[in-house]
Amino acid sequence: EIVMTQSPATLSVSPGEGATLSCRASQTISSNLAWYQQKPGQAPRLLMYGASTRATGIPARFSGSVSGTEFTLTISSLQSEDFAVYYCQQYNYWPPTFGQGTKVEIK
Amino acid sequence: EVQLVESGGDLVQPGGSLRLSCAASGFPFSGHWMSWVRQAAGKGLEWVANIKEDGSEKYYVDSVKGRFTISRDNAKNSLYLQMNSLRAEDTAVYYCARPTWGSTNVNWFDPWGQGTLVTVSS
Repeated sequence: EIVMTQSPATLSVSPGEGATLSCRASQTISSNLAWYQQKPGQAPRLLMYGASTRATGIPARFSGSVSGTEFTLTISSLQSEDFAVYYCQQYNYWPPTFGQGTKVEIK
Repeated sequence: EVQLVESGGDLVQPGGSLRLSCAASGFPFSGHWMSWVRQAAGKGLEWVANIKEDGSEKYYVDSVKGRFTISRDNAKNSLYLQMNSLRAEDTAVYYCARPTWGSTNVNWFDPWGQGTLVTVSS
């Protein structure tokens, strides 16, 4: 089973600042990675797949990249609605597995 | 608008059973695989099960094999999860989700329902 490790566990950011979230896979998974956003009491929402392709309706301030087994989700200028928990998920090897999440909180 | 609405979550004793339901609307349910994903309190997400469009193929995470059964009724646009021999570690919010594939045989999930809480405790 592929282990996905996200860092940091919590990221404190001021509104308007940028944020960089990391997700590392225990094996090479090509670009087969998705990112989700989850707000308290809500279901996860797909942000990105293919490591860098934004899902429908996701604003351009969200971007993704990959270097080897290290994946990055960048939020260029945090808006109030972006404070949430973010999860990565690999879909290269069965079964699909998720990281433990990064909470982006208001500084 | 695609909607997935779960129901059936409850407090159940260890060893007990529960059946979750998911009502789908806004898309051709019979033409899509479906999934269950769970999330224990304060924990991450865990894929639980997938079912093919016609119900002919089913896949489970190892920890629930032999105890949980995923099923569907395409005439009712509904997905189910029958959970037997429940354990404390099955306590979680259970989400119904629609899987999507790219170039691999492993999926991501979009969209998700709001979830239903299952608590296994005496």
